[in-house]
Amino acid sequence: EIVLTQSPATLSLSPGERATLSCRTSQTVSTYLAWYQQKPGQAPRLLIYEASKRATGIPARFSGSGSGTDFTLTISSLEPEDFAVYYCQQRSDWPPLTFGGGTKVEIK
Amino acid sequence: QVQLVQSGAEVKKPGSSVKVSCKASGGTFSNFAITWVRQAPGQGLECVGRIIPIFDIANYAQKFQGRVTITADKSTSTAYMELSSLRSEDTAIYYCARDSTPGGYDPSGGLEYWGQGTLVTVSS
Repeated sequence: EIVLTQSPATLSLSPGERATLSCRTSQTVSTYLAWYQQKPGQAPRLLIYEASKRATGIPARFSGSGSGTDFTLTISSLEPEDFAVYYCQQRSDWPPLTFGGGTKVEIK
Repeated sequence: QVQLVQSGAEVKKPGSSVKVSCKASGGTFSNFAITWVRQAPGQGLECVGRIIPIFDIANYAQKFQGRVTITADKSTSTAYMELSSLRSEDTAIYYCARDSTPGGYDPSGGLEYWGQGTLVTVSS
């Protein structure tokens, strides 16, 4: 099973700041990595797939990069609605489709 | 517009079983894999298993092997997840989610459509 490690666990930032979230996989997943956003009481929402492709309707301030074992989700300028928990997920090797432990982006 | 609607909350005794449904509307049900993901209170996301309805092939996370059965009824566009031998640690919200890419074997894409979640509480 591929293990995903997200860092940091919590990111405290102010609106307008840049957020950089990391996801590292225990073995290469090529570019088969997705990112999700989850707000309290809601189901997750797909943001990024194939490491760098934005899902339908996702604002351009969200971008993804990386390949192999190291990946980054960047939010260029935080909006109030971006404060949430973010998860990465690998789709290279299954079962199962494993998730990282999540990064909480909170208001500083 | 694709929608996934799940069955309602359940309260179960330890040792019993639960079966959660996920009815799809919009799109072509059979062509897209359905994944079941759970989230324990205050915890992260955990994949339980996945089914590709067009092939009727289901795969399960090792952790749940022998306790979980995922099925799909193509005639009603409904997927099911049954979990047996329930214990308190199974208390969680269970989500179904549909792939963005058809076929089930394409690693690109992501879980694009999600159900609203079903809270399963296991308590004596």
